[in-house]
Amino acid sequence: RKEVEQDPGPFNVPEGATVAFNCTYSNSASQSFFWYRQDCRKEPKLLMSVYSSGNEDGRFTAQLNRASQYISLLIRDSKLSDSATYLCVVNLGGSYIPTFGRGTSLIVHP
Amino acid sequence: DTGVSQNPRHKITKRGQNVTFRCDPISEHNRLYWYRQTLGQGPEFLTYFQNEAQLEKSRLLSDRFSAERPKGSFSTLEIQRTEQGDSAMYLCASSTRDTFNYGYTFGSGTRLTVV
Repeated sequence: RKEVEQDPGPFNVPEGATVAFNCTYSNSASQSFFWYRQDCRKEPKLLMSVYSSGNEDGRFTAQLNRASQYISLLIRDSKLSDSATYLCVVNLGGSYIPTFGRGTSLIVHP
Repeated sequence: DTGVSQNPRHKITKRGQNVTFRCDPISEHNRLYWYRQTLGQGPEFLTYFQNEAQLEKSRLLSDRFSAERPKGSFSTLEIQRTEQGDSAMYLCASSTRDTFNYGYTFGSGTRLTVV
């Protein structure tokens, strides 16, 4: 089993749709969780950290489920500009080292 | 200093040659990470520095790879006797201790092609 697992997609959705991605992680003692966005041939950029109680930033909502060891990202009212790869990042077991999932590709079409 | 800087942006080298990449982190960041990314995959961890100390190395990092961070500022990653399998994007990231609020900031990467 991979330490951080994501469905690679692609998720192909129309503008205005709501889309959700999940990410599972292997170490129950993990403490820090993030979602990063990566555009084609660019570097990853922080989208949001994931709080234990869940958090929202505009159209984006992140949730953490410790019991089932997964985090989720919900994007509401999708825009064309949301098309990118979304990377799940976990500091497994409280390590200083962020471990990345392989990413989930999102394509938003008109 | 507006971000993490990596040089060169692109490197094409012949198999068997040595290459060196440089990363200049954000000046107040004491933590520095090197990753490798291939098409369709997430970044894979290579090595981690806290100030000048190299605290962790991945099992992926063979003896041909070495990294340094003299004086806890910039870092270099050297690959000796390059192989075609080394072709990838090499990413550098830096952070403060407060990673939860500020995350990890990546440079634009160095794209290595071994021919």
